[in-house]
Amino acid sequence: DTAVSQTPKYLVTQMGNDKSIKCEQNLGHDTMYWYKQDSKKFLKIMFSYNNKELIINETVPNRFSPKSPDKAHLNLHINSLELGDSAVYFCASSQNWGVTEAFFGQGTRLTVV
Amino acid sequence: GQQLNQSPQSMFIQEGEDVSMNCTSSSIFNTWLWYKQDPGEGPVLLIALYKAGELTSNGRLTAQFGITRKDSFLNISASIPSDVGIYFCAGRNSGNTPLVFGKGTRLSVIA
Repeated sequence: DTAVSQTPKYLVTQMGNDKSIKCEQNLGHDTMYWYKQDSKKFLKIMFSYNNKELIINETVPNRFSPKSPDKAHLNLHINSLELGDSAVYFCASSQNWGVTEAFFGQGTRLTVV
Repeated sequence: GQQLNQSPQSMFIQEGEDVSMNCTSSSIFNTWLWYKQDPGEGPVLLIALYKAGELTSNGRLTAQFGITRKDSFLNISASIPSDVGIYFCAGRNSGNTPLVFGKGTRLSVIA
């Protein structure tokens, strides 16, 4: 069983489109995250959610809107996609906000053309 | 914001050699983690460190939490081809801050 699963794995879309990436964890964790990995492999936190509540929004453009319908899911919706949004997006989870170890999904490679 | 300096950026080594990489921070951390990322996959947690001076092993991997709490290193002994990948350090300085990642060390192993 995959602990943290993301869909889709690959996403190619045109500039200006709106797209969503879904994430689900079956670990029973309270905290979920979205990270962005750029072409140089740098991993940067975007959002942190704890028990469906937003804890951290790391100065991400408001075109990015996370939504957590329940503790096991954290989806990422992106409006008006731009070329610079091309990256690999990782969902992750940890047991709770006080626990540091994060477990990552396989990533979604987003390409905006 | 917090920054982690990870070195070296990349390494090419012969199979069987030992590897060492390290990470330094501009501020004190309470937790250090080391991850490995294979191509097309997400980072996988290798070792977690919680106390200054702590030395922890996971098979051929050994990591240490620096005494100053501003650094950590990872050693891999007797490298094998499947050790190829990108190794990331990550740290956190309090329960209210997110995990911060280094820029990674890309390891290549020559058989």
